[in-house]
Amino acid sequence: GAVVSQHPSRVICKSGTSVKIECRSLDFQATTMFWYRQFPKQSLMLMATSNEGSKATYEQGVEKDKFLINHASLTLSTLTVASAHPEDSSFYICSARTSGGRNEQFFGPGTRLTVL
Amino acid sequence: SQQGEEDPQALSIQEGENATMNCSYKTSINNLQWYRQNSGRGLVHLILIRSNEREKHSGRLRVTLDTSKKSSSLLITASRAADTASYFCAVRTGGFKTIFGAGTRLFVKA
Repeated sequence: GAVVSQHPSRVICKSGTSVKIECRSLDFQATTMFWYRQFPKQSLMLMATSNEGSKATYEQGVEKDKFLINHASLTLSTLTVASAHPEDSSFYICSARTSGGRNEQFFGPGTRLTVL
Repeated sequence: SQQGEEDPQALSIQEGENATMNCSYKTSINNLQWYRQNSGRGLVHLILIRSNEREKHSGRLRVTLDTSKKSSSLLITASRAADTASYFCAVRTGGFKTIFGAGTRLFVKA
């Protein structure tokens, strides 16, 4: 299947730092990417839908000013956690949806964020 | 709630036994998928069943879908210790979002 990468795979930062996570579709173009958050022993919660060239659509309860999403190209979406706090520590997973008729969705390996 | 429900939340069985996990959802769907996740790792896609399909097999996996009851089940036959993981169902909605269930933690004892 198609490959989606995330960078970094793990990040540890101090409280108040902003952290950027990249999601790339390596061998396909993705007009739509999705960002999920997963707390320990819980399921994935959809945070936002990112469309190339337009503003992201956030799920209810997700602060758009806190979680800044930029989908600047058909292969790259970034999630920036602004002024991260310990409660933002989580596993962040992106997925990318293929363009065209197949509409398949592929998931990245995830980024573990730890805020001290 | 964003999530569907899965039961059981946790399941512990002996190696060689079958494991059955159930998933219920709330919206209309295009398809339903099952994923596996080892602790702290990424997702592994197991199987996809479309809304017009009722049953699908892949190796030791059997998935059923009942759209009238908005439910699905995943059966793992002849389980192995290596099957120990969390299993999630995920539904693809008409808006192309994929929404995950709460997950079942499976522990297979050797």
